[in-house]
Amino acid sequence: GNSVTQMEGPVTLSEEAFLTINCTYTATGYPSLFWYVQYPGEGLQLLLKATKADDKGSNKGFEATYRKETTSFHLEKGSVQVSDSAVYFCALSDARTGANSKLTFGKGITLSVRP
Amino acid sequence: KAGVTQTPRYLIKTRGQQVTLSCSPISGHRSVSWYQQTPGQGLQFLFEYFSETQRNKGNFPGRFSGRQFSNSRSEMNVSTLELGDSALYLCASSLAGHGTDTQYFGPGTRLTVL
Repeated sequence: GNSVTQMEGPVTLSEEAFLTINCTYTATGYPSLFWYVQYPGEGLQLLLKATKADDKGSNKGFEATYRKETTSFHLEKGSVQVSDSAVYFCALSDARTGANSKLTFGKGITLSVRP
Repeated sequence: KAGVTQTPRYLIKTRGQQVTLSCSPISGHRSVSWYQQTPGQGLQFLFEYFSETQRNKGNFPGRFSGRQFSNSRSEMNVSTLELGDSALYLCASSLAGHGTDTQYFGPGTRLTVL
């Protein structure tokens, strides 16, 4: 079955540091890939997504590229802010025609950014 | 456009009771999915509804059930509550439930079972 593996956390960075959060996946076919963010006490918000190989998703300074050859979707940001402190989830869905949108999530990683 | 809403936001129940959670999707969205989030198991898929039909179900016991109404609003029910059912229950909606669709999540219902 499908699975998503995220790097172990938590991660603590200083403001303006470079961020990389690793995500690899196992899936049949060509899944769509997502990064969601969860702030304390809230639900999940879509950060970015990519629906086919070599697509780059980007939003709010975050980027991730769909790498089919390495089955990866690593999240990067050049300069983190304190407001980026949250839990980040990598997820995939089965994009085959007619398939439903069930999301398979990684375990999530907590990011804390110090001023 | 209003986002996904879930009611209630917080619930406290005792073992053996049953509970019903409600979800109103974004206007025009026809697919509603439910997820359970716990510290130990993370985010797990419960089920998905599209046009009042359950299309997919996760690996949860039959005590967990759901339904969807003609206006796409959805409810999930948990009967004979157990301590392990304490979790954040998240509802997500999407336009048509295709794999490429973005799912939009509600704030969740925090269920505590005593």
